[in-house]
Amino acid sequence: NAGVMQNPRHLVRRRGQEARLRCSPMKGHSHVYWYRQLPEEGLKFMVYLQKENIIDESGMPKERFSAEFPKEGPSILRIQQVVRGDSAAYFCASSQGAGNTEAFFGQGTRLTVV
Amino acid sequence: DQQVKQNSPSLSVQEGRISILNCDYTNSMFDYFLWYKKYPAEGPTFLISISSIKDKNEDGRFTVFLNKSAKHLSLHIVPSQPGDSAVYFCAAKGRGGTSYGKLTFGQGTILTVHP
Repeated sequence: NAGVMQNPRHLVRRRGQEARLRCSPMKGHSHVYWYRQLPEEGLKFMVYLQKENIIDESGMPKERFSAEFPKEGPSILRIQQVVRGDSAAYFCASSQGAGNTEAFFGQGTRLTVV
Repeated sequence: DQQVKQNSPSLSVQEGRISILNCDYTNSMFDYFLWYKKYPAEGPTFLISISSIKDKNEDGRFTVFLNKSAKHLSLHIVPSQPGDSAVYFCAAKGRGGTSYGKLTFGQGTILTVHP
């Protein structure tokens, strides 16, 4: 049973380009969460999705950031017109449900904006 | 508004001794608590969890204690091993409101276990 898979592991983008980060949850998990870790900081919640639905996007920046979790395929975190401040590690987690269940994390995507 | 706080940025312990990592929370809607371990350049790894209906959960060398009245939990690692050296994150989730479903993390504590 494969764990949470994120790709790419490392992504370099020039300022103004788009970044697409992918996350395939664990088998049987229908809840996906995206977190961001800036250098020297903790994990900050960005968005919580179930299949085809955004449940909570209270941690998403108002502009340039979007997320989806389609019926088929991985969850995608999309950052348009990247800026240097977007450089961070982006982690995806998945769980079976919203209640008292553990969430398991992927290895993360390290985005560097040059 | 930091709803989950780990007030000790770092902890240094001798191999074989007990490591105690602490965590405080403010949101009374939190009812499930988890500890994660994280190595550099890797994702967080789930360690142990506890529901608010319990005050203790044990798994091998790891024990989590929950004091609901004080809104405080702690992770005990005994005996500590050099391989336990990592950043430890406390996390909480709730049954409703803004805490529903998602995990809210503390800032992390860097644990160093010396041989």
